[in-house]
Amino acid sequence: EVQLVESGGDLVQPGGSLRLSCAASGFTFSDHCMDWVRQAPGKGLEWIGRIRHKADRYTTEYAASVKGRFIMSRDDSKNSLHLQMNSLRTEDTAVYYCARRVLGSTDSLDYWGQGTLVTVSS
Amino acid sequence: DIQLTQSPSFLSASVGDRVTITCRASQGISSYLAWYQQKPGKAPKLLIYAASTLQSGVPSRFSGSGSGTEFTLTISSLQPEDVATYYCQQLNSYPLTFGGGTKVEIK
Repeated sequence: EVQLVESGGDLVQPGGSLRLSCAASGFTFSDHCMDWVRQAPGKGLEWIGRIRHKADRYTTEYAASVKGRFIMSRDDSKNSLHLQMNSLRTEDTAVYYCARRVLGSTDSLDYWGQGTLVTVSS
Repeated sequence: DIQLTQSPSFLSASVGDRVTITCRASQGISSYLAWYQQKPGKAPKLLIYAASTLQSGVPSRFSGSGSGTEFTLTISSLQPEDVATYYCQQLNSYPLTFGGGTKVEIK
């Protein structure tokens, strides 16, 4: 069974940092690109980034809203995905989901974690 | 960036009704569109990918169509368990973007 479990969400002050993790199981993690998507309270979904697999040299894509502040990484030996969030702003308050990109030429996110809540407030 | 505009933002329909949600892209995205269902307090769930391909395990009352800039998600016979918010997502170019969502309720 495919499982994605996020952790690391917390209350943090503006300007602070936080590192989220996503533990993957039930599939060959190293084969898949992985995305982060967030959802502010009562709002819609916002895609924030993708990290590709080893074959694509772990390259990354980011939304403009987080580029230069957030860094995605992965450890295929531990089946884990990470999101380092720096210079946090109140508008970064959201539930953060990790999601798996499907294999192949079509693109979509076929499995999602349950999310972890990040609150940025003084 | 490619903008996705969903309509309506809210709809209320009766059990058994046919429901259609539209997603319009600000520029052509071929068939690189997915639809997701999100129930309150839960993670999104993939329903449709490549504009019209039903994800495994998704009931056949859900269908998707369209290409280019206009897409639709149809529920052929609305069921109580379909109460949720539905989002489209374009995967044609970065940054990937979502529509604003359509909340579906039972009348």
